[in-house]
Amino acid sequence: AQSVAQPEDQVNVAEGNPLTVKCTYSVSGNPYLFWYVQYPNRGLQFLLKYITGDNLVKGSYGFEAEFNKSQTSFHLKKPSALVSDSALYFCAVRDGGTASKLTFGTGTRLQVTL
Amino acid sequence: GAVVSQHPSRVICKSGTSVKIECRSLDFQATTMFWYRQFPKKSLMLMATSNEGSKATYEQGVEKDKFLINHASLTLSTLTVTSAHPEDSSFYICSARGRGLNQPQHFGDGTRLSIL
Repeated sequence: AQSVAQPEDQVNVAEGNPLTVKCTYSVSGNPYLFWYVQYPNRGLQFLLKYITGDNLVKGSYGFEAEFNKSQTSFHLKKPSALVSDSALYFCAVRDGGTASKLTFGTGTRLQVTL
Repeated sequence: GAVVSQHPSRVICKSGTSVKIECRSLDFQATTMFWYRQFPKKSLMLMATSNEGSKATYEQGVEKDKFLINHASLTLSTLTVTSAHPEDSSFYICSARGRGLNQPQHFGDGTRLSIL
């Protein structure tokens, strides 16, 4: 079975400061990892993915994530947060060796204040 | 980037009504489509997965006769909530994925269904 843990329900950060949203995963095979962002009353927008290759993945809107195999983590980061980054963020994993479904974490609400 | 269009964005109807929600992939061929339900302040709950031209695969606990899914083409899937009741009120989100397991899923903007 595969699973994703997002240990923080909410992350608060001041605009201009770096942000990190944590994600750890468990999967039998090779992990395919994804980050999505959801704004109120909207669907999910794809931010970035890790399939293979460089452990540091760069995505949309200045976000990046680092794949750490030994810690089974895929934390989302941004060097300088914006108020407009405030939203709900979901980490997701799929077993790359199979056609398994995407498993989502419970989501982390990011609140960026002035 | 890949775009998934979901329509309608909001539906308010009386109990007993059937409601159809459409999901279209606008600029790619969606070989697989997914339907999710999201409760307030909760993560997404996968309801069913459908491959073009095949019957949908429903998750445990999801009534297939209640939630009818059709994936008739590579760009269109529909979810019909039959004889809807207030407990069916929720935010429904579709998602589509192109060919290849390393492709990300792209999501529609969701449909807010309110049953009175």
